[in-house]
Amino acid sequence: GAVVSQHPSWVICKSGTSVKIECRSLDFQATTMFWYRQFPKQSLMLMATSNEGSKATYEQGVEKDKFLINHASLTLSTLTVTSAHPEDSSFYICSAPRRTGENIQYFGAGTRLSVL
Amino acid sequence: DAKTTQPPSMDCAEGRAANLPCNHSTISGNEYVYWYRQIHSQGPQYIIHGLKNNETNEMASLIITEDRKSSTLILPHATLRDTAVYYCIVRGQGGSYIPTFGRGTSLIVHP
Repeated sequence: GAVVSQHPSWVICKSGTSVKIECRSLDFQATTMFWYRQFPKQSLMLMATSNEGSKATYEQGVEKDKFLINHASLTLSTLTVTSAHPEDSSFYICSAPRRTGENIQYFGAGTRLSVL
Repeated sequence: DAKTTQPPSMDCAEGRAANLPCNHSTISGNEYVYWYRQIHSQGPQYIIHGLKNNETNEMASLIITEDRKSSTLILPHATLRDTAVYYCIVRGQGGSYIPTFGRGTSLIVHP
């Protein structure tokens, strides 16, 4: 069964509003989680690394003030897309290793965001 | 990190073996080969990984050449549900491992 749960799986919002996406590790604690974005017919692009109890690390070109990441507990990381615009429409996916330093990543099912 | 090269697409008949190649000629001695797949509109799924020995699990087999410059993922009896994009990733162990994805191979299994 799924070890990483992502919610919601699909969201439509109006331009200018904010959307929060949750990523939960179900049967393990994740000090680190990763957030990816995937545009149609493209591969996954890493956006940021979410660290429990500290600030997220963002990849070059990803606006930290637009994509707010909070890793408030060892089982939950959230990604908030603030003031969403149509160009933010994408497939957002989170992942986490089951054990620290383990190189096998477990991925959420993804969130399809459509901004009107 | 070593770069990987995969064919953009392949197809295979249902019930036959699907052999997906990956070239990683710049792989270093401590880097592993990982395979993930992504079924349409879902998150990626881990399949298998290996260092230099061939590996097999309930999903697939991984054959790594002796010089480790290439590998092949084998799905022994492909089903329609194996239609997905398959990613070959090379990474070292430990540390802040973050899988980065290339284009992968789009495998279509047809009846």
